[in-house]
Amino acid sequence: QTVVTQEPSFSASPGGTVTLTCGLSSGSVSTSHYPSWYQQTPGQTPRTLIHSTNTRSSGVPDRFSGSILGNKAALTITGAQADDESDYYCVLYMSSDIYVFGGGTKLTVL
Amino acid sequence: QVQLQESGPGLVKPSETLSLTCTVSGGSISGYFWSWIRQSPGKGLEWIGYIYYTGSTNYNPSLKSRVTMSVDTSTNQFSLRLDSVTAADTAVYYCARYGPWSFDLWGRGTLVTVSS
Repeated sequence: QTVVTQEPSFSASPGGTVTLTCGLSSGSVSTSHYPSWYQQTPGQTPRTLIHSTNTRSSGVPDRFSGSILGNKAALTITGAQADDESDYYCVLYMSSDIYVFGGGTKLTVL
Repeated sequence: QVQLQESGPGLVKPSETLSLTCTVSGGSISGYFWSWIRQSPGKGLEWIGYIYYTGSTNYNPSLKSRVTMSVDTSTNQFSLRLDSVTAADTAVYYCARYGPWSFDLWGRGTLVTVSS
């Protein structure tokens, strides 16, 4: 079964740029996987940040951007802030018409 | 605005069936795909499956043998049934709408514990 890979944890400095990635255990991520990204703080419902690789959801600051970098999808946070400290999940749409979540990345800003 | 609300028992015995309902308010269930997603305590998110408002479904292959989803457009509700549950099925269960290429609306989630 396909596994979607994410960094388990990532540390950033306030004001810094963070790039989280979303890959496949076999093969490359492309726009055809319609990568989407979600932010979840503890005890809260996930919030949609990015869909269709690079489209920001309504109300999401432009500090958040999505792209394909090499063979992975990427979420970049420019000017990281303390309240960006959260878990981040990507989701890929697979050709078998199923959706697979990555394991999530725990972002620490300090 | 459209809101989703999960409902159902918070405690299910091992080997029994977990049943949850998601009520869509403030909008129509028609025209969208609707999913169930779960999150085990301290773990990541797992897509369980989707149901289209017409009733067509697709499920996570790892759960397919135990999952059934249904939809009732007259009541604006869709449901999840998970058979033969074990402790590994203990999780917060979310219902979500699949909008333009993302899960754009989520319910608040409901914790289901599998225990005797």
